[in-house]
Amino acid sequence: EAGVTQSPTHLIKTRGQQATLRCSPISGHTSVYWYQQALGLGLQFLLWYDEGEERNRGNFPPRFSGRQFPNYSSELNVNALELEDSALYLCASSPRTGLRETQYFGPGTRLLVL
Amino acid sequence: GENVGLHLPTLSVQEGDNSIINCAYSNSASDYFIWYKQESGKGPQFIIDIRSNMDKRQGQRVTVLLNKTVKHLSLQIAATQPGDSAVYFCAESGLNYGGSQGNLIFGKGTKLSVKP
Repeated sequence: EAGVTQSPTHLIKTRGQQATLRCSPISGHTSVYWYQQALGLGLQFLLWYDEGEERNRGNFPPRFSGRQFPNYSSELNVNALELEDSALYLCASSPRTGLRETQYFGPGTRLLVL
Repeated sequence: GENVGLHLPTLSVQEGDNSIINCAYSNSASDYFIWYKQESGKGPQFIIDIRSNMDKRQGQRVTVLLNKTVKHLSLQIAATQPGDSAVYFCAESGLNYGGSQGNLIFGKGTKLSVKP
């Protein structure tokens, strides 16, 4: 069974540009989560989608947004990129509603903002 | 604020020894805990989980212990191998946890280094 996949693996942007990151969950999983992992830091929760709707978001500005498609894949969009947005962006998926369910992570997209 | 933290940021052990990685949590409402392993350049990999109605759970070479009285979680790795070298994160989750329902709250991580 395929795990969580993310694309691209690496992304280089300049300050002020927009970045779009993609995630495909494990087959049968309906919940998708996005986390940011800045260099040397732990994972910070960004967004949670389930059944196509945003269920919760972390303490990030509105320029971090996303969506979930009918096939449960998801996009994370970051507008007006800032240097401090450089980080590893991780996507995770879980079955059902995500309430106290194990989350399985993808390999991440490494975003570098110059 | 309430968070999940780790006692030791780094741990160095000899190959073949047992490793113990500790984690403290402060939210008594948390009822689900997970340990993840993250190797350099990769996403976190699920190791083992435990729910609050249990004190201990065993997997292959790993054991998680939960002490709800002192809000402490530990991961024990038996016969540590060089391939176990990685950063280990504990994470917690709980229903209606301060508005963060559904997501996991991660500690900062402990780096495990295994000497051959």
